[in-house]
Amino acid sequence: DAGVIQSPRHEVTEMGQEVTLRCKPISGHDYLFWYRQTMMRGLELLIYFNNNVPIDDSGMPEDRFSAKMPNASFSTLKIQPSEPRDSAVYFCASSRPPLQETQYFGPGTRLLVL
Amino acid sequence: AQSVTQPDIHITVSEGASLELRCNYSYGATPYLFWYVQSPGQGLQLLLKYFSGDTLVQGIKGFEAEFKRSQSSFNLRKPSVHWSDAAEYFCAVGFQTGANNLFFGTGTRLTVIP
Repeated sequence: DAGVIQSPRHEVTEMGQEVTLRCKPISGHDYLFWYRQTMMRGLELLIYFNNNVPIDDSGMPEDRFSAKMPNASFSTLKIQPSEPRDSAVYFCASSRPPLQETQYFGPGTRLLVL
Repeated sequence: AQSVTQPDIHITVSEGASLELRCNYSYGATPYLFWYVQSPGQGLQLLLKYFSGDTLVQGIKGFEAEFKRSQSSFNLRKPSVHWSDAAEYFCAVGFQTGANNLFFGTGTRLTVIP
């Protein structure tokens, strides 16, 4: 299996621009998670989906962030407008049910907002 | 409230020495417990996990961890560290609350010196 695929791997943008991060989970995994990692806050769960439906988005920092999962093989995390404090590494992970199953992480997208 | 704590931010060990990384959680029941490793510029990779049964679990790369209910701990150990073990290590806890997400500790950075 190819593992979780994320694109782009690196993104540099200017404040105010829209940023879209993409994720392809492992085939057959019903759960998809978006995390953000920063030095200050560590690894934070932003949102997760089950069977393409958002289950818990309480970690999404504010309305500038949105996530979608239009089908079982694709998800996006969008930031509009972006701000310098959004600079972080964003990880996507997927897993099978139930909770005990391992989450498999993608390589991450390193975002820098200038 | 549920929480997971990794008290050591940074640990330095000599190659060949033994290693123990600490993880404590706060929860009323037995959680699901994981250790992940993150190499620089990479995503997280599962080292081992505990759900039930034998409290000493073996993982990949020669790591093991022991669940101690009385101490609410799940410490990671390795008898002889290799230079390639230098990385960031995350303890994660899944709670039986019906929410299918993990809570991650803040991580412990391991440096290995010759």
